[in-house]
Amino acid sequence: EAQVTQNPRYLITVTGKKLTVTCSQNMNHEYMSWYRQDPGLGLRQIYYSMNVEVTDKGDVPEGYKVSRKEKRNFPLILESPSPNQTSLYFCASSNGQGGSYEQYFGPGTRLTVT
Amino acid sequence: KNQVEQSPQSLIILEGKNCTLQCNYTVSPFSNLRWYKQDTGRGPVSLTIMTFSENTKSNGRYTATLDADTKQSSLHITASQLSDSASYICVVSAKGNTNAGKSTFGDGTTLTVKP
Repeated sequence: EAQVTQNPRYLITVTGKKLTVTCSQNMNHEYMSWYRQDPGLGLRQIYYSMNVEVTDKGDVPEGYKVSRKEKRNFPLILESPSPNQTSLYFCASSNGQGGSYEQYFGPGTRLTVT
Repeated sequence: KNQVEQSPQSLIILEGKNCTLQCNYTVSPFSNLRWYKQDTGRGPVSLTIMTFSENTKSNGRYTATLDADTKQSSLHITASQLSDSASYICVVSAKGNTNAGKSTFGDGTTLTVKP
């Protein structure tokens, strides 16, 4: 089944403790992206990757890192999480970004930083 | 700054009725516009995707329109069902060397369909 998976789905952590949220897709998609969703603010793009070893900042990259060493994986790294990074995170992938490529979203990761 | 504005913020309709949601954008240069449906706590699911040359696209009871000149789009839902209750999100992507890959999301319209 074609899908985007994220782990963990729920995470409660403390300020400053490094964490990684994994994202994996099995559709051989080139494009992957991370978003955060907060009440009243909608979805905002954190980072995206057009292909392996190619990443770029979205609208809210501060406090986050990403890597794209393999086509299928695009982990989101929080080196020193802070309470304002408490949010619902979504990973997405598509076979491109322009034109009519459909974007598939993962199920979401709910992160709480205390 | 690229922006996507949706209206109304929320909408309540009776089952079986039609409704139209609006999306205005300032994203440039324009690549494509997508409408997503998002159930509470779940990832968005694509409804329609339109490029510059397309001005209407249907997916079952969902019909999206695009006016690239006025930078407006609408999503029309026909014969609403209780399962249509969700947030509907308009997303506009840019193209070009510096903007390729960037997506700007609207805040969504929360639709509630009542029996």
